[in-house]
This record gives sequence, C-alpha cells and structure tokens, in this order.
Amino acid sequence: NAGVTQTPKFQVLKTGQSMTLQCAQDMNHNSMYWYRQDPGMGLRLIYYSASEGTTDKGEVPNGYNVSRLNKREFSLRLESAAPSQTSVYFCASSEEGSANYGYTFGSGTRLTVV
Amino acid sequence: GDSVTQMEGPVTLSEEAFLTINCTYTATGYPSLFWYVQYPGEGLQLLLKATKADDKGSNKGFEATYRKETTSFHLEKGSVQVSDSAVYFCALSEGTGRRALTFGSGTRLQVQP
Repeated sequence: NAGVTQTPKFQVLKTGQSMTLQCAQDMNHNSMYWYRQDPGMGLRLIYYSASEGTTDKGEVPNGYNVSRLNKREFSLRLESAAPSQTSVYFCASSEEGSANYGYTFGSGTRLTVV
Repeated sequence: GDSVTQMEGPVTLSEEAFLTINCTYTATGYPSLFWYVQYPGEGLQLLLKATKADDKGSNKGFEATYRKETTSFHLEKGSVQVSDSAVYFCALSEGTGRRALTFGSGTRLQVQP
C-alpha cells in the first residue's frame, strides 16, 4: 500500500544549483499535482497533470518545470534554485474527475536553498 | 478566483474539550469541500468531505456541514484527544477544469492532557 512516493525526503541546495524531485504513484490515477507548503500560506499549486502527456501551470509555476514521464511518475525540476524556493514540496494524485473523492498525498520533500 | 479562509491558530485545548475550527470559502460555482489533517512530519490525509449544500461529512468523531447560505464548512469535534494534535486544512475543489484543490492556510491544534 505505497500510495504516493516522493524522493528525496530532505535536500539542501546552493543557490543556482539544479535538482529534480521525483514522485510516483501506484494507484493507477490519471491526475497528478505538485504543491508547495509555506508557513502561514497553506499549500499552493505549482503544476498539475490531468492525464499522461499533459501538464499545466498552477498558481506559482515560475522557476519550475515538470515532466509527466508516464502514468505513474510526475517529476518537478528546479533549473536554478533560489532561496525563495525553500519550502516543503508535496506531490498528490487523484482519479480523473474525482473532485468528490479527494486526493492522496506523498509525505513531502523538505528543500532548503542556501 | 476561488479562496478559502481559516481561523488562525494555534488553537490550544485541554483534552475532552469541544473543538471548532472555522472555515469560509469563495467560489464561483458549486464546489466540493474538504478537511485534511497533517500530523507532524507527514503528508496531508483526507479527514472528511461534503459535495453539496447541507451535506454533513464525518470521520473519527469530526464533523463539518456544507452551508451554502453562509459559504462555510466549520470543523467540529465534541471531545478532543491529545492524538488529535495536528494541522488542519480546509480545501475546496470546483470539480471542473483542472480539479485542483484550493487550500486555506491551515490551523494548528494543540491538545494538552
């Protein structure tokens, strides 16, 4: 019962470095999402993928890129990390059209950019 | 656009006290409403949901009623336990278009023995 798996759990980057956050789900869900969580601001949507082969910008996409590699995997890439990208990142998935069923979240990646 | 407003925390209660966490929303359509809970060091877990006006969601002793007239979805529990200490997020989904969740800022609950 893995659900949504995120790697790594923790990461420290220097300003300007790049990295990719990995996310995989084993529930055969069509839709996948990347959120960031900052103190006092709740979760904000970065990018989402409604189905394999499609991606769309969310509320705060600047500085990020995504790849929906296949139905299971949805990665988030920081090309040139900035201190403002210090945050906790959550991946989530849902069945298509499942607004009524909620979403399954991973356990998060805590990223610090120094 | 859509938005969710929650009462600020932290909320500190003694064990067995009554809990209310207020949540109001703004949406153009008829959203589905959710409460998620986040325990320390973990991701968010769905606590309960309601998909139409006057629906009551319930789970683990928590309840929330979808009030369209007041655009509210307040979370309540009659008797909290220390194990309920967590951060609670109210969220909505329009159910159309991108179907992503819009979250409130979260409310930290601390229950003291």
